[in-house]
Amino acid sequence: DVKVTQSSRYLVKRTGEKVFLECVQDMDHENMFWYRQDPGLGLRLIYFSYDVKMKEKGDIPEGYSVSREKKERFSLILESASTNQTSMYLCASSTWTGSSGNTIYFGEGSWLTVV
Amino acid sequence: QQQVKQSPQSLIVQKGGISIINCAYENTAFDYFPWYQQFPGKGPALLIAIRPDVSEKKEGRFTISFNKSAKQFSLHIMDSQPGDSATYFCAASGGGFKTIFGAGTRLFVKA
Repeated sequence: DVKVTQSSRYLVKRTGEKVFLECVQDMDHENMFWYRQDPGLGLRLIYFSYDVKMKEKGDIPEGYSVSREKKERFSLILESASTNQTSMYLCASSTWTGSSGNTIYFGEGSWLTVV
Repeated sequence: QQQVKQSPQSLIVQKGGISIINCAYENTAFDYFPWYQQFPGKGPALLIAIRPDVSEKKEGRFTISFNKSAKQFSLHIMDSQPGDSATYFCAASGGGFKTIFGAGTRLFVKA
């Protein structure tokens, strides 16, 4: 089974702090993603990566950056946390499997509260 | 053109009833339409998916109906059970576009 592991499940940070959210996948997937989930807004893509050291902006990249130094690891960085970044963050990975389509495998989420 | 519109936002169904969630898309390049199920405290997981070359796909109590001309697809949960209570997301991808998710539907099945 594919496993996407988010190391921190619950975090409370202060406004202005630098926050790191770490994610590791164990299926050698090329693609990795960071989403933000808020009630009524669904899953919004922050950043994604198709390869090591490669990153592309998603729909809501402002206030975030990412790092992918190894294929299995994708980190989300909040340079200066703000209260409007309080949310659940989901890491995900995928690989193209032709006829099966692009199935995305999610981690269990990291709940971040910025006070 | 990149949106996937999902309705309703929330749904309450009696045990044994049929739950129906609808989605509509605009981009005709999409060619893969998955549904994801998310239980509280967990990440979403693939439930069932369909390609536009078929009009219906059934897996157990879960069925996707697909209307290519109307650019709509829906999830039907037959004989709904309390254990089906979760948030459901429709999605669309293909044609070089990344996966786009609907806003989600919170389903509650009353025992």
